[in-house]
Amino acid sequence: DGGITQSPKYLFRKEGQNVTLSCEQNLNHDAMYWYRQDPGQGLRLIYYSQIVNDFQKGDIAEGYSVSREKKESFPLTVTSAQKNPTAFYLCASRLGGSAGTDTQYFGPGTRLTVL
Amino acid sequence: AQKVTQAQTEISVVEKEDVTLDCVYETRDTTYYLFWYKQPPSGELVFLIRRNSFDEQNEISGRYSWNFQKSTSSFNFTITASQVVDSAVYFCALSERGGSYIPTFGRGTSLIVHP
Repeated sequence: DGGITQSPKYLFRKEGQNVTLSCEQNLNHDAMYWYRQDPGQGLRLIYYSQIVNDFQKGDIAEGYSVSREKKESFPLTVTSAQKNPTAFYLCASRLGGSAGTDTQYFGPGTRLTVL
Repeated sequence: AQKVTQAQTEISVVEKEDVTLDCVYETRDTTYYLFWYKQPPSGELVFLIRRNSFDEQNEISGRYSWNFQKSTSSFNFTITASQVVDSAVYFCALSERGGSYIPTFGRGTSLIVHP
């Protein structure tokens, strides 16, 4: 089955810790994205990558880092510099890269809570 | 800059009622795409429809229909004979060539369908 997987589904972090959220896709999509969703808010773009070994900051990149060493994987690290990391994190992918006009598809999300 | 407004924060209806979710967008681009996604309580965003700026034909898919009007910059979504399973948050999104086709999302409309 093709799709996007995110793990873990729920994640608890102590203040001052870095945590890494996993996102894997087997759709052979070029582009991958990370969004943050807070209650009552739309989706805000954290980072995106349109090709392997390249990524760009989105609107709220501070306190986050990413890597794109493989086409299938786009992990997101939430660092201790992120002041308010408690949120729902969604990963998405899209077939085309920078020239792609097609649709984004989403994973099931990871809910991160800072204790 | 692209912008999407979903003025209805929450809509509550009784089963079998028809309901329309509004979406108004702003863009300076002549080439753009509009989307609707459904987010059920599980959290994953489910793609519903994509429309390009050159196709103003309305679309119907079962109980769902979409009305795209460039003259009013609107892309409204109607659910006919609503059902409890339609309860979810619905997001409208816009992507444009000038924005590398990275979607901007509205804040979402929470639809509650009561039995």
